[in-house]
Amino acid sequence: GDQVEQSPSALSLHEGTGSALRCNFTTTMRAVQWFRKNSRGSLINLFYLASGTKENGRLKSAFDSKERYSTLHIRDAQLEDSGTYFCAAVNTNTGKLTFGDGTVLTVKP
Amino acid sequence: EAAVTQSPRNKVTVTGGNVTLSCRQTNSHNYMYWYRQDTGHGLRLIHYSYGAGNLQIGDVPDGYKATRTTQEDFFLLLELASPSQTSLYFCASSPGMGRYAEQFFGPGTRLTVL
Repeated sequence: GDQVEQSPSALSLHEGTGSALRCNFTTTMRAVQWFRKNSRGSLINLFYLASGTKENGRLKSAFDSKERYSTLHIRDAQLEDSGTYFCAAVNTNTGKLTFGDGTVLTVKP
Repeated sequence: EAAVTQSPRNKVTVTGGNVTLSCRQTNSHNYMYWYRQDTGHGLRLIHYSYGAGNLQIGDVPDGYKATRTTQEDFFLLLELASPSQTSLYFCASSPGMGRYAEQFFGPGTRLTVL
């Protein structure tokens, strides 16, 4: 079945710095969703991309269906960005999502 | 106002117990989904539905039943709960397929089976 490999599994950043998370797909996927699971356990929608890039504040995401990957860039990290970030590949024929195992981001003062 | 709600938010039961988790969405979405999420792993799809009365089997369906009574309501049933079903359960809805496949999630239900 569809596989999603997410990296890194854990990431520690100091406030004001940035980094990138990546998801690789074993098959060609039609779209990707990115989420953050906050401290209350809620899943917050960050991006839904069928192609190209999207930006929202300090977050930017890219999706390349042909090369089978997606990235999430975080810049100027803030304490409230801490949480677990998930990517999920969208099978647009069935609507099903296949999730990566998540990246635990810790932002330190 | 939250568009996908779940109840209860927390549930404790014993092995062999009967549990029903409820999900309601007010997005007017056709598709609804039930996932489980275990520590250190992503969400895994249990069952999903394309509309009232429809049920599709997901990737980890064993031990679970589901029923979609209306467009708004989707229920997950554990008729003989086991400790391996201790998990965080999420419900989601989406408008459909293709470019309408973006899913929106409820707050989750934490289930503990003793």
